[in-house]
Amino acid sequence: KAGVTQTPRYLIKTRGQQVTLSCSPISGHRSVSWYQQTPGQGLQFLFEYFSETQRNKGNFPGRFSGRQFSNSRSEMNVSTLELGDSALYLCASSWDKNTEAFFGQGTRLTVV
Amino acid sequence: TQLLEQSPQFLSIQEGENLTVYCNSSSVFSSLQWYRQEPGEGPVLLVTVVTGGEVKKLKRLTFQFGDARKDSSLHITAAQPGDTGLYLCAGAPRGTGFQKLVFGTGTRLLVSP
Repeated sequence: KAGVTQTPRYLIKTRGQQVTLSCSPISGHRSVSWYQQTPGQGLQFLFEYFSETQRNKGNFPGRFSGRQFSNSRSEMNVSTLELGDSALYLCASSWDKNTEAFFGQGTRLTVV
Repeated sequence: TQLLEQSPQFLSIQEGENLTVYCNSSSVFSSLQWYRQEPGEGPVLLVTVVTGGEVKKLKRLTFQFGDARKDSSLHITAAQPGDTGLYLCAGAPRGTGFQKLVFGTGTRLLVSP
């Protein structure tokens, strides 16, 4: 059974640009959550999607957005990139809220 | 805001030593998970504890959930270099469950041969 797949693995962008990251959940999983991991703040929750609807949201500015498709694949977008957005972005999938979440390998975003 | 504090932040030990990592909060969680993360990779789930007072063992690793479901500990017996990594506890808040995990500050473990 394939795990959670995130693409791309590495990305370098310039300040002011926008970026889109992709996450393919484990087959059958309908919930996808996104997290940002930085050395200073650790792992912080961004948002969660279930059946194409955003169900939970963390405390991040509106520059961070996401969506989920009918096949449960999810994308997150960051607009007007700032240096502080450099981080490892992780997604996790689960069947539903009462089942464990499994993480992908992450996308390392560097903003220069 | 729910917070999880882990201690210690860093631990450098010799192979064969025992260690305990603590995860504490003032909030109650419906369950708590422990992950290990290698550099540049995603966290890998080790265990989930659900019931207050629950103890789970995974080979040389022993996990305990506090009676009040506010804290947890991870004990490693006879640590090996392969145990090196970042250990993270994560609490599942009531209501949102596993989909909105609150992560601890992390414990970076280095086991030297």
